Amino acid sequence: SQELEQSPQSLIVQEGKNLTINCTSSKTLYGLYWYKQKYGEGLIFLMMLQKGGEEKSHEKITAKLDEKKQQSSLHITASQPSHAGIYLCGAENQGGKLIFGQGTELSVKP
Amino acid sequence: ETGVTQTPRHLVMGMTNKKSLKCEQHLGHNAMYWYKQSAKKPLELMFVYNFKEQTENNSVPSRFSPECPNSSHLFLHLHTLQPEDSALYLCASSRERSRSYEQYFGPGTRLTVT
Repeated sequence: SQELEQSPQSLIVQEGKNLTINCTSSKTLYGLYWYKQKYGEGLIFLMMLQKGGEEKSHEKITAKLDEKKQQSSLHITASQPSHAGIYLCGAENQGGKLIFGQGTELSVKP
Repeated sequence: ETGVTQTPRHLVMGMTNKKSLKCEQHLGHNAMYWYKQSAKKPLELMFVYNFKEQTENNSVPSRFSPECPNSSHLFLHLHTLQPEDSALYLCASSRERSRSYEQYFGPGTRLTVT
């Protein structure tokens, strides 16, 4: 079955620093979603990438999809405490089922 | 506020109890989902409803029983649960059941089974 592996599992950065989170699929990606979750709460939709090479930005967050590498990256520029949380990638597998990575927990030190 | 509400936010129940979780979406969506999120595990899709019809049941034990009376409401009926069922239960909705449409999530119900 298809799996999504996120790296790193957790990350602590100083405020103002840039960071990157990766999401790698074990099989072909048919689009990919990025969500953010505050601990114990629901997921907030960030971005959806549907085509290889696609890149989207929302405020200081940029996500890219590399279909050949079966990978997506999420980049945060000049991190702020408000960026702290758990970032999850999700994708539909060949059977159309939505699967998620295990999440990357981000802490931003003021 | 995503337009998806869930009640209750917290629930503690014994193994012999019967309870229900409620989800309501105000987005005019036609697809609704139940997910289970346990500690240290990826989010698990449980059930999918598209236009009020159940289209997916991902091998969920029968002690979990979903109900979708209309496109705006989704319930998860719980009975004779086990302690390992303790988790955050998330509801989501999307315009339709398609990879072209992102899902919007509710805040979740934190369930503890004692």
